[in-house]
Amino acid sequence: DADVTQTPRNRITKTGKRIMLECSQTKGHDRMYWYRQDPGLGLRLIYYSFDVKDINKGEISDGYSVSRQAQAKFSLSLESAIPNQTALYFCATSDFGTTGELFFGEGSRLTVL
Amino acid sequence: AQSVTQPDIHITVSEGASLELRCNYSYGATPYLFWYVQSPGQGLQLLLKYFSGDTLVQGIKGFEAEFKRSQSSFNLRKPSVHWSDAAEYFCAVGAKGNTPLVFGKGTRLSVIA
Repeated sequence: DADVTQTPRNRITKTGKRIMLECSQTKGHDRMYWYRQDPGLGLRLIYYSFDVKDINKGEISDGYSVSRQAQAKFSLSLESAIPNQTALYFCATSDFGTTGELFFGEGSRLTVL
Repeated sequence: AQSVTQPDIHITVSEGASLELRCNYSYGATPYLFWYVQSPGQGLQLLLKYFSGDTLVQGIKGFEAEFKRSQSSFNLRKPSVHWSDAAEYFCAVGAKGNTPLVFGKGTRLSVIA
């Protein structure tokens, strides 16, 4: 089984719908991240969490919210999806006190019609 | 704040030829530098990383990278490219204290026979 698991892997939804992307990890890392990938734009940070009680906005947090339900779980929500949120979303983890190397899930492809 | 520039959006090389992908970073102190690879339809895999010590680092799949502080660069090299190296490559920079990694926009590598 993958160390960082994202669900769903693919989702098609309509404008205005609420969407939740979930991430769980078995690496025992305390730090978790959500990045968004768009062609030609690389990966951009949406939100990150250094522990269960810590939530931080990233570069592009508008239109998104997150919840850190447990050390191993970090979910990303789109309260009212819009077409320009169509993208590939990655969850990642890292371990405190290391170089900050990220371990990625396989991605969740979201299409908003 | 850190930033990363990957000047080449797309590179095409012949199988067996050498490869160099460029990465320039901006950060005031000693950076932590990473190269990740994303094969089509896959997540991101770490190729190599630099955080201290020898400025020439070896990675997986025959890749290496050299940290040049004077040029603010961390270019990725491979002496002989294989068709399976066709993928997108991302350079990323981090910092001590585990600030989230900042990614470049990526370089897509195509390999021709």
